[in-house]
Amino acid sequence: EVQLVESGGGLVQPGGSLRLSCAVSGFTFRNYWMHWVRQAPGKGLVCVSRINSDGSSTTYADSVKGRFTISRDNAKNTLYLQMNSLRAEDTALYYCAREESSSGTFDYWGQGTLVTVSS
Amino acid sequence: EIVMTQSPATLSVSPGDRATLSCRAGQSVSSNLAWYQQKPGQAPRLLIYGASTRATGIPARFSGSGSGTEFTLTISSLQSEDFAVYYCQEYNSWPPWTFGQGTKVEIK
Repeated sequence: EVQLVESGGGLVQPGGSLRLSCAVSGFTFRNYWMHWVRQAPGKGLVCVSRINSDGSSTTYADSVKGRFTISRDNAKNTLYLQMNSLRAEDTALYYCAREESSSGTFDYWGQGTLVTVSS
Repeated sequence: EIVMTQSPATLSVSPGDRATLSCRAGQSVSSNLAWYQQKPGQAPRLLIYGASTRATGIPARFSGSGSGTEFTLTISSLQSEDFAVYYCQEYNSWPPWTFGQGTKVEIK
């Protein structure tokens, strides 16, 4: 069974940092591109960042570029998102999602971890 | 960034009726369009990809159509478990792929 389990969310002050993790199981992690997608409370879905299967290529939405860093450890079957210089507008539920065979669609999602940026 | 616009924002439908949801892209995305269903407190679930191909395990009452800039998701006969929010997503140009703002399908 495919599972993606996020952790690391919490309450942080503006300007602070958090590191999210996504532990996966049930599939060969090193073969898949992975994403972080966020959803602000009561709002829609926004793609944040993407990483290719071996970690050599990463891309970011303009809103997080220079502040967030996506990475992965294929030996540990874990995806990460380092978030620095956090802003109130980064408050959201952060999902990790698997990209289906480099197709562009997300076939498996975690349950999300909540990040709240507030003083 | 491609802007995806969904309509209507809310659709009130009776169980057993047909629901038609629309998604418009700000520029052509070819057939690189997916639909997701999200229920309260749950992660999104992939329904349709390639504009018209059902994902694994998705019932035949869900169908997608369209190409270019105009797309439609049709639920032929709404079941109780279909009341949810539906999002379209383009994956034609990264970064980033973009989602529509969602259509809520509620019980009439």
